Amino acid sequence: SYELTQPPSVSVSPGQTARITCSGDAFPKEFSYWYQQKPDQAPILVMYKDSVRPSGIPERFSGSSSGTTATLTISGVQAEDEADYYCQSAGTTTTFKVFGGGTKLTVL
Amino acid sequence: QVQLEQSGPEVKKPGASVKVACKTSGYVFTSHGFSWVRRAPGQGLEWMGWISGYSGNTISPQKFQGRVTLTSDSSTSTAYMELRSLTSDDTATYYCARDNGQWLVDPWGQGTLVTVSS
Repeated sequence: SYELTQPPSVSVSPGQTARITCSGDAFPKEFSYWYQQKPDQAPILVMYKDSVRPSGIPERFSGSSSGTTATLTISGVQAEDEADYYCQSAGTTTTFKVFGGGTKLTVL
Repeated sequence: QVQLEQSGPEVKKPGASVKVACKTSGYVFTSHGFSWVRRAPGQGLEWMGWISGYSGNTISPQKFQGRVTLTSDSSTSTAYMELRSLTSDDTATYYCARDNGQWLVDPWGQGTLVTVSS
């Protein structure tokens, strides 16, 4: 089964750009998906198929994938973006799911 | 609108079993599968398995094989996750989510806290 590696934490000041990476052998064969989880809330999807933003997700969120690394970029970070972010891909078959360990985004 | 309503918090003793329900509404139950995901305190999201809303077929990672049972009841639009032989490491919030085969579709269930303590 694939493993996905994320940095445990990323810190940025408001208005700056945050980049959260997700590395693993699943890429580029599989797409990456990204979820945001705030305290005491269920996760929500913020990016799918590497770079497609779901309806309702602000334009400051973008995604990309190159080689074995997928990246979630948040441009012009706002205080409300402070949360845990998880990447996900397929496992040994598409139906299998694998999550990265999660990255805590702190807005200074 | 689509809703996934999970059953309430549980407190279990080590060795016991727990069954969490996920009642859905607002869409055709058989159009999606379900994945179950948990988050233990201080840990990240962990995928526990998937069940087809149509056929009832299931898959789960090796870690949970033999200990987790996923079922669904289309007559009540409800999915269930049963976890057996609980240990303190199973203390976590458990989530259900619709699964379209590639990613987990919003909205998820609100989560069910399962506490395992003697």
